[in-house]
Amino acid sequence: DSGVTQTPKHLITATGQRVTLRCSPRSGDLSVYWYQQSLDQGLQFLIQYYNGEERAKGNILERFSAQQFPDLHSELNLSSLELGDSALYFCASSVSEPGTEAFFGQGTRLTVV
Amino acid sequence: QQPVQSPQAVILREGEDAVINCSSSKALYSVHWYRQKHGEAPVFLMILLKGGEQKGHEKISASFNEKKQQSSLYLTASQLSYSGTYFCGTEYIKAAGNKLTFGGGTRVLVKP
Repeated sequence: DSGVTQTPKHLITATGQRVTLRCSPRSGDLSVYWYQQSLDQGLQFLIQYYNGEERAKGNILERFSAQQFPDLHSELNLSSLELGDSALYFCASSVSEPGTEAFFGQGTRLTVV
Repeated sequence: QQPVQSPQAVILREGEDAVINCSSSKALYSVHWYRQKHGEAPVFLMILLKGGEQKGHEKISASFNEKKQQSSLYLTASQLSYSGTYFCGTEYIKAAGNKLTFGGGTRVLVKP
């Protein structure tokens, strides 16, 4: 158990809908990273929050947004869902000191039908 | 910018060795290595820091060539449990709240 909790584990929804994925980082970790992993593909960096502020953005679609709350949990919002958004979405957290490891949650498997 | 991993895939017999490379076009501060089993979360293996030592984890070790901005992961005397996809992650600067970007992964299959 990495200490990073993601909910829900599985999500099936229709095209055009909106969903929210939730991530609770390890206690004490200030950074939360979101990654998208399509079937048998690499980890595509979406966005990073550090202590409540957006720190870095990757290839995140405009239909996607995220935020980190004062208690440091984070939510990833995906709207106007398309079939191609089906993927595993991972959240990771770290203490954010340079050179320290990131710990991954178990992921949310999103299926858009 | 995403680091580049090679090869994309490798098939080994149990007991054989393999090397996975991770290259960057920008100066690196650190390189992280993770292994992911199918359908599971990536699991941390080790970190190499600029100016740091070579690290090891069981019979898996890694090096960091600062001049070439490249890291190599060495799988020695591979075991069936080494099968999975290996990802390198990179940090480019020494600063709190660094972005961690991953390469495309290298699939490793160890056969009996």
